[in-house]
Amino acid sequence: ETGVTQSPTHLIKTRGQQVTLRCSSQSGHNTVSWYQQALGQGPQFIFQYYREEENGRGNFPPRFSGLQFPNYSSELNVNALELDDSALYLCASSFSVDGSGGSQYFGPGTRLLVL
Amino acid sequence: QKEVEQDPGPLSVPEGAIVSLNCTYSNSAFQYFMWYRQYSRKGPELLMYTYSSGNKEDGRFTAQVDKSSKYISLFIRDSQPSDSATYLCAMALFSGGYNKLIFGAGTRLAVHP
Repeated sequence: ETGVTQSPTHLIKTRGQQVTLRCSSQSGHNTVSWYQQALGQGPQFIFQYYREEENGRGNFPPRFSGLQFPNYSSELNVNALELDDSALYLCASSFSVDGSGGSQYFGPGTRLLVL
Repeated sequence: QKEVEQDPGPLSVPEGAIVSLNCTYSNSAFQYFMWYRQYSRKGPELLMYTYSSGNKEDGRFTAQVDKSSKYISLFIRDSQPSDSATYLCAMALFSGGYNKLIFGAGTRLAVHP
């Protein structure tokens, strides 16, 4: 069974640029969620994708957007990068959208630094 | 007030000690309760997942949930240096057609030989 994978592992961008992060969900999982983890903090929910549509969003502006593909993999796009976007971005997949099938399993994350 | 409160530590214990980690929460609608372990610069790793009040044991780990007090705990028996990590409690809420996890800030644990 393959776990959640993310790419790239590290990324350095400058303020105002755009970035795309990628995630492959664990085998058999149809729901993907994205989280942002600032240094010394717990992860914060960005949004969730199910059946290729965004079905829930946390307190993040529209410049954070995403996609889910038919094979359940996903992308997170961030436009107009700001210094505060520097963080570890985590992708998590789960077996069911309501959580009844078990918890969310996380990938290793992409560390983004905005200069 | 944060929905999930967790003491950030750090907590330093000798090898072999029993470790107790705790979180409190304010939202009685939370349905599932989890503990994740996160090593430095890595993604969170699921340790325990439960949905009812009571105890759940897995090897050296015991998760305890008290819904009436809105309090969850993780106990680690016979702690090892390899247990040194940040421990995150998380609560799951399924509402509006999606399921999100709300995390505590994490407790840093150091187990010294």
